Amino acid sequence: NAGVTQTPKFQVLKTGQSMTLQCAQDMNHEYMSWYRQDPGMGLRLIHYSVGAGITDQGEVPNGYNVSRSTTEDFPLRLLSAAPSQTSVYFCASSPRTGEAFFGQGTRLTVV
Amino acid sequence: AQSVTQLDSQVPVFEEAPVELRCNYSSSVSVYLFWYVQYPNQGLQLLLKYLSGSTLVKGINGFEAEFNKSQTSFHLRKPSVHISDTAEYFCAVIYFGNEKLTFGTGTRLTIIP
Repeated sequence: NAGVTQTPKFQVLKTGQSMTLQCAQDMNHEYMSWYRQDPGMGLRLIHYSVGAGITDQGEVPNGYNVSRSTTEDFPLRLLSAAPSQTSVYFCASSPRTGEAFFGQGTRLTVV
Repeated sequence: AQSVTQLDSQVPVFEEAPVELRCNYSSSVSVYLFWYVQYPNQGLQLLLKYLSGSTLVKGINGFEAEFNKSQTSFHLRKPSVHISDTAEYFCAVIYFGNEKLTFGTGTRLTIIP
């Protein structure tokens, strides 16, 4: 049972570089989300999707792009990395009104 | 703004003592409520959830929570904690019509031997 798979687990970027964090789920969930976790701030929603082809902004969307071409995949793109984007990123999927299942996280450092 | 508040950022508790972690949400509209646990360097795992029905919800590892609509609260309790309960605990809410899962800032539970 794979659940929610995030890659990579760790990444170091230089300021200005771009990259894509991958997220895949095999539970046929409608909803997928990206969060960032910073000390003392809990998890803040970056972007979310309620189905293939539909995405919307969360609380902290600036500097990030998403797309949802299939039910399974929901990649997060950092357009031009900044030190303020140093964080732990979590992808989650859920059925419409059920619990969210989380990936193991990606620890990103921007230098 | 619709939000969720965890007033206690850190809670130290002696082993085998009871614990209550507090969670309040901001609106009187209908909600779904969740508690998640995060062990060090891991992702989040669901402890329990309230979607409807009985206001007392039982979860894994001996935890339970009570939904109190009049006080807009969903406090987490355990009658006797163990060293293995050391973790960070997050309260989360979905407000009807919003569809987004909103998290509190977390409570770090430390068990003192």
